[in-house]
Amino acid sequence: GAVVSQHPSWVICKSGTSVKIECRSLDFQATTMFWYRQFPKQSLMLMATSNEGSKATYEQGVEKDKFLINHASLTLSTLTVTSAHPEDSSFYICSARGHSSGGAHLNLPDTQYFGPGTRLTVL
Amino acid sequence: QKEVEQNSGPLSVPEGAIASLNCTYSDRGSQSFFWYRQYSGKSPELIMFIYSNGDKEDGRFTAQLNKASQYVSLLIRDSQPSDSATYLCAVSPDSSASKIIFGSGTRLSIRP
Repeated sequence: GAVVSQHPSWVICKSGTSVKIECRSLDFQATTMFWYRQFPKQSLMLMATSNEGSKATYEQGVEKDKFLINHASLTLSTLTVTSAHPEDSSFYICSARGHSSGGAHLNLPDTQYFGPGTRLTVL
Repeated sequence: QKEVEQNSGPLSVPEGAIASLNCTYSDRGSQSFFWYRQYSGKSPELIMFIYSNGDKEDGRFTAQLNKASQYVSLLIRDSQPSDSATYLCAVSPDSSASKIIFGSGTRLSIRP
């Protein structure tokens, strides 16, 4: 239970292009999803928190116009890196928290469950 | 002062020994505490969670929480080379994990 997927797992793009990353909760409904970024040998940095049906809340220093987040359903959130530049190259990880769907009780703690991450390389 | 502090390591432990990972946090009102394991190039994986003072055991892992000292630790018994990873301590201000604050992680290396 509590499986979160991300797509794509890696992407290489040219500077100036936009990249969309999808995050899906597969066996539970995620009322809240989180987007993190991790540079090599550094810890996770929270970028933004998104709640289904409302605008994302961005952490200080994260440009909301550059990192567009859409949380259109209880199982899907997307992060779009607009006009990507080499300094945006990083490991982007989403996480999800919520309640089990379909009436099944997963008996899991309230915590965040991470997707496998997306490695973005901007040339 | 960082909100969640961990020694970055690397912590080197011989195979079969006990690995002890420590973490302190600054928010005395914190409610939920987690340990995640992160292999190089992979995303974090939840391995333990604890809410109450004391010890919580799960297989080879034991989480220890002392709220008075604002201290949480993770013990790994019978360490295996596959335990070599970065261990992230995470703390949430509430029981529903609406926000989790991560430490910078401790790199653990188990030597054969």
